[in-house]
Amino acid sequence: AQSVAQPEDQVNVAEGNPLTVKCTYSVSGNPYLFWYVQYPNRGLQFLLKYITGDNLVKGSYGFEAEFNKSQTSFHLKKPSALVSDSALYFCAVIGKAAGNKLTFGGGTRVLVKP
Amino acid sequence: DTEVTQTPKHLVMGMTNKKSLKCEQHMGHRAMYWYKQKAKKPPELMFVYSYEKLSINESVPSRFSPECPNSSLLNLHLHALQPEDSALYLCASSQGLFPGELFFGEGSRLTVL
Repeated sequence: AQSVAQPEDQVNVAEGNPLTVKCTYSVSGNPYLFWYVQYPNRGLQFLLKYITGDNLVKGSYGFEAEFNKSQTSFHLKKPSALVSDSALYFCAVIGKAAGNKLTFGGGTRVLVKP
Repeated sequence: DTEVTQTPKHLVMGMTNKKSLKCEQHMGHRAMYWYKQKAKKPPELMFVYSYEKLSINESVPSRFSPECPNSSLLNLHLHALQPEDSALYLCASSQGLFPGELFFGEGSRLTVL
């Protein structure tokens, strides 16, 4: 079975500082990895994905993520956080063995303080 | 147009009521999804439609009944719900059955009294 772990329920960071949201996964075969963001009372918005190729993936709003196969991780990063980045972030994985179904991690709340 | 539109945004219903949630997309996507999300939890997949046919039903109770009248519309019919069914119901669509890049609506917040 495939699974995703986001070890931190909440991440606090000062505006202008680097932001990292951690994600590790477990899947049979090659993983397809995604990050979504959810603002309060809104649906999820796609940020970025890793399918194949370059391990460093760039996405929306200045976010990027690095795929590390040996550590089975896909951490989300932003060099300089904004107050408006405060939201709930979900990592997700698809493994073909699970019938192409998307599995979400538990979510990490990011709070960026001015 | 890159939107998934859900109506109503809020719905309050009693346990004996029958109501429906509606979802519409005009991106030409051929896969549509219903997710249920409880507060501060990840979305849970309920149903997947591919080319207007139900392809995944995640063992959802029969009091939830999905319908896909055409490639742009997705409904979720609700009947005899329980208070624990109160949640945010999210509709999503994707280009095909490789669902990773999902486009979500803003959700319908359901309260069952």
